[in-house]
Amino acid sequence: GAVVSQHPSRVICKSGTSVKIECRSLDFQATTMFWYRQFPKQSLMLMATSNEGSKATYEQGVEKDKFLINHASLTLSTLTVTSAHPEDSSFYICSATDRINTGELFFGEGSRLTVL
Amino acid sequence: QQQVKQSPQSLIVQKGGISIINCAYENTAFDYFPWYQQFPGKGPALLIAIRPDVSEKKEGRFTISFNKSAKQFSLHIMDSQPGDSATYFCAASISAGGTSYGKLTFGQGTILTVHP
Repeated sequence: GAVVSQHPSRVICKSGTSVKIECRSLDFQATTMFWYRQFPKQSLMLMATSNEGSKATYEQGVEKDKFLINHASLTLSTLTVTSAHPEDSSFYICSATDRINTGELFFGEGSRLTVL
Repeated sequence: QQQVKQSPQSLIVQKGGISIINCAYENTAFDYFPWYQQFPGKGPALLIAIRPDVSEKKEGRFTISFNKSAKQFSLHIMDSQPGDSATYFCAASISAGGTSYGKLTFGQGTILTVHP
């Protein structure tokens, strides 16, 4: 089946630094990808919709200058957490829709960010 | 109107028993209702999904029951096994195109524990 790959799976960084997380659709083209954030024992909260070749659409309350999203190709979206702080520590998960073939949504394995 | 309410928050079942998780939604525009299974430290994996033109869908031990008039849907896990112990999320989305395509609204999650 379709696969969505995230990298890195775990990252630890110092407060004030920036971290980039990649989301790739491996065997299908994804014009739209989604970024979610999940705190421990909580549900997934949609952060933004990433559209290939255009600006991302952010959900209410999500700082677009802090969470930079770039969707430069049909198979890659990146989320950059800028000037990370401990409260940004979370599990970040991307998803992509195989809109052309099945219409199904596939999730990546997630990226655990820990900001010291 | 975008909320999906899930219950119970946690569920303990004996091996071989039936696990039942319920969800209710408000937005009548939702037309795709997936269930996801998530293990600790992993991204959610699609378990089974239903569209509102059918009232029930079965795949192996997993069954979705859908009640369009009540705006409710549920997941039944028959012959529950210890390996089924995980967090389960219901979700809903609008799949008919437009800006909401593939944008999932998740329930709060249910932690299922199956005792051997």
